Amino acid sequence: KQEVTQIPAALSVPEGENLVLNCSFTDSAIYNLQWFRQDPGKGLTSLLLIQSSQREQTSGRLNASLDKSSGRSTLYIAASQPGDSATYLCAVSGGTSYGKLTFGQGTILTVHP
Amino acid sequence: DGGITQSPKYLFRKEGQNVTLSCEQNLNHDAMYWYRQDPGQGLRLIYYSQIVNDFQKGDIAEGYSVSREKKESFPLTVTSAQKNPTAFYLCASSIDLEETQYFGPGTRLLVL
Repeated sequence: KQEVTQIPAALSVPEGENLVLNCSFTDSAIYNLQWFRQDPGKGLTSLLLIQSSQREQTSGRLNASLDKSSGRSTLYIAASQPGDSATYLCAVSGGTSYGKLTFGQGTILTVHP
Repeated sequence: DGGITQSPKYLFRKEGQNVTLSCEQNLNHDAMYWYRQDPGQGLRLIYYSQIVNDFQKGDIAEGYSVSREKKESFPLTVTSAQKNPTAFYLCASSIDLEETQYFGPGTRLLVL
């Protein structure tokens, strides 16, 4: 059964810092990996999707990498801003979980001015 | 505007009552999903549907039921058999399975 773990559970940084969020998964036979953002009491917003054949994806100040063989992904946020404060969720699909996303528990990010 | 809508935003359930959560999308997506989120936890899949008139159980389907009679609609019924229904319920859709999922704003279900 696929399991997804995110580290750290919570992170507090001053504005302007570059930061890294980590995601690991136990079954490397994935189809893709997605990073989402969730604001308190709201739905999820898709940030980046990496196909299993890709190594990384970039969108603005966000860069996500994927090392399928080691079962790891990182989300890099450059020049963090208070508006980046949210919960960041990692999810994988594929393998024995075809068509289904398995989510990590999330990292709660706080960027203070 | 294209997107996914969920209603109501808040829902209160009495003991022994069935309640239905609405999910509608106008993105012309074939696949739709229902997730449950508990405080401090990630999302868990309840049911998903790849196409109209077809749906599959997810990881925590017990006490829930769904229907997919129309492409744009995927309602979730929380039955009286679900003993711990208090949670945040999220609906999502995608062009097909394994593609990027787009989420609605969620419904918070509370038990009276």
